Amino acid sequence: EPEVTQTPSHQVTQMGQEVILRCVPISNHLYFYWYRQILGQKVEFLVSFYNNEISEKSEIFDDQFSVERPDGSNFTLKIRSTKLEDSAMYFCASSGWGSSSTDTQYFGPGTRLTVL
Amino acid sequence: GENVEQHPSTLSVQEGDSAVIKCTYSDSASNYFPWYKQELGKRPQLIIDIRSNVGEKKDQRIAVTLNKTAKHFSLHITETQPEDSAVYFCAATRNTGGFKTIFGAGTRLFVKA
Repeated sequence: EPEVTQTPSHQVTQMGQEVILRCVPISNHLYFYWYRQILGQKVEFLVSFYNNEISEKSEIFDDQFSVERPDGSNFTLKIRSTKLEDSAMYFCASSGWGSSSTDTQYFGPGTRLTVL
Repeated sequence: GENVEQHPSTLSVQEGDSAVIKCTYSDSASNYFPWYKQELGKRPQLIIDIRSNVGEKKDQRIAVTLNKTAKHFSLHITETQPEDSAVYFCAATRNTGGFKTIFGAGTRLFVKA
């Protein structure tokens, strides 16, 4: 069964550095999402992406964040200048096409980001 | 802004008993309500979902109900087993005028053998 994949599984960075988190959504999916989960807390929506543009973003997704679909398979989240409070698990998700399939989101395994 | 309230935050039941988790959402444009199970260190896994044109859905030991007027939806797990122990999240999705999913704070379910 196809799955969403994410790399790296764990990223350690220094405060102020840029990081890029990578995701490969399920191949025929059209809708892409990033979420974050601070340890022990709920899953928080960051951004949704469709038709090569941002569909919706949350208050968390400020100017330090950007997303890109640089080719036909990858979907990336860039944090320009990381802060300590960016430490979290970042999940990518994708959903398909068709009236019911657009809803069901499949999550990747996550990237644990640690900012020192 | 949009919000999803989830209760209880912790639930402990005996094996074989039922568990009920309740959520309330604020965005009246929400039209899709998934439930996720998350084990420690793992990704959220979809266990059941319901769309706004349906009041109830069942899949073996798991059922979900939706009251759109009251903006309430609930997860019911019957005949609980120790392997049901995990954190359960409800979520409300709007897919008109942009795609956005808001999660509840989660319920930690303990099933005692």
